[in-house]
Amino acid sequence: ETGVTQTPRHLVMGMTNKKSLKCEQHLGHNAMYWYKQSAKKPLELMFVYNFKEQTENNSVPSRFSPECPNSSHLFLHLHTLQPEDSALYLCASSQLDDFTDTQYFGPGTRLTVL
Amino acid sequence: DQQVKQNSPSLSVQEGRISILNCDYTNSMFDYFLWYKKYPAEGPTFLISISSIKDKNEDGRFTVFLNKSAKHLSLHIVPSQPGDSAVYFCAAGRGSQGNLIFGKGTKLSVKP
Repeated sequence: ETGVTQTPRHLVMGMTNKKSLKCEQHLGHNAMYWYKQSAKKPLELMFVYNFKEQTENNSVPSRFSPECPNSSHLFLHLHTLQPEDSALYLCASSQLDDFTDTQYFGPGTRLTVL
Repeated sequence: DQQVKQNSPSLSVQEGRISILNCDYTNSMFDYFLWYKKYPAEGPTFLISISSIKDKNEDGRFTVFLNKSAKHLSLHIVPSQPGDSAVYFCAAGRGSQGNLIFGKGTKLSVKP
């Protein structure tokens, strides 16, 4: 595997379900991200992990819970979601250095909440 | 209030001609800008970037221009090819803070 991988690619869940999205990066990067992409909206940054520590949480509801066990893996745990949470969830990674932040994205998980 | 704006939701260009995609930003603290390309059912793919110390960066058919005084950047694709048909996002950030701000995207269609 190369680059950034995400599983599952598609997920349908009910509002009372609990599920997890998984992301793995094979690039040796030190930062990982979760983004949400809804129709007609720009990509919204949800969480940033830098060296496994969460450095940003952009006012995301607590029904989304991230976990970063090591610098290569990132999870997004989902519980009691709402239909408006249906969106494409993208994971990205980057090597944060002194100047640049080129993020590389996975293929995304298309989530539908019924 | 959007800090990064792509005011054209779509653009149609003939194969072989130049495609010009535009992006405006409001935050003068941004010092690093990127363009991504996205096909349906795939994640965004990094295309090209530019730092605020430059006004032009070129990579093959893709050139990004930055006008800091106007807070404007553009992506030129020449010659355009049908395979370039995709949604293009511009993004801006401040160095290594790990917080890129994305525009809404412009859908480019290159007609044979």
